[in-house]
Amino acid sequence: EAGVAQSPRYKIIEKRQSVAFWCNPISGHATLYWYQQILGQGPKLLIQFQNNGVVDDSQLPKDRFSAERLKGVDSTLKIQPAKLEDSAVYLCASSLDSQQYNSPLHFGNGTRLTVT
Amino acid sequence: DQQVKQNSPSLSVQEGRISILNCDYTNSMFDYFLWYKKYPAEGPTFLISISSIKDKNEDGRFTVFLNKSAKHLSLHIVPSQPGDSAVYFCAASAQGSGTYKYIFGTGTRLKVLA
Repeated sequence: EAGVAQSPRYKIIEKRQSVAFWCNPISGHATLYWYQQILGQGPKLLIQFQNNGVVDDSQLPKDRFSAERLKGVDSTLKIQPAKLEDSAVYLCASSLDSQQYNSPLHFGNGTRLTVT
Repeated sequence: DQQVKQNSPSLSVQEGRISILNCDYTNSMFDYFLWYKKYPAEGPTFLISISSIKDKNEDGRFTVFLNKSAKHLSLHIVPSQPGDSAVYFCAASAQGSGTYKYIFGTGTRLKVLA
């Protein structure tokens, strides 16, 4: 099966600019996640979708970050305006159904964002 | 509050020997645990998991052990191979608001020396 697709792979922007990341999950996966991984740290959940509804966005900085999952398939994460501390790898993951026990996450290769 | 901790940032092991990676957690509601392997410039890939009703799960060279009373899990790799050199993350999940949420540790960088 095709894996989780993410684009772009790399992005360099200046602070206060905006940026958008795209993710296409594994076909048939109901749950989609966006994680932020800062260098030397583990992935931190930003937002979790179940189909096209948000189930957890408690750690999403909503003043600058937004995300949507149209039609319950692919998703976009946007940052506007970007800050230096947003430099990180943004990982998208999907799972068959997070309402089910024993449903591991499958990750894409991530987008490395550098804010200068 | 770090609910999942990997206290060893790095580990070096000789090829053919056993690698043991450790993970501690604080939330007793966690009931499903996973290990992921990450190579540079790639996303984490799922390696092995264990549910809280078991204390051991084995898949080829990889075995995960769970000690619920100590809130500790470990990943054993036997024998270790140079291709195992990567960053390993443990993750734990618990159900909240009808869905399972995953919390990751900070990772351990394993280097297998040829």
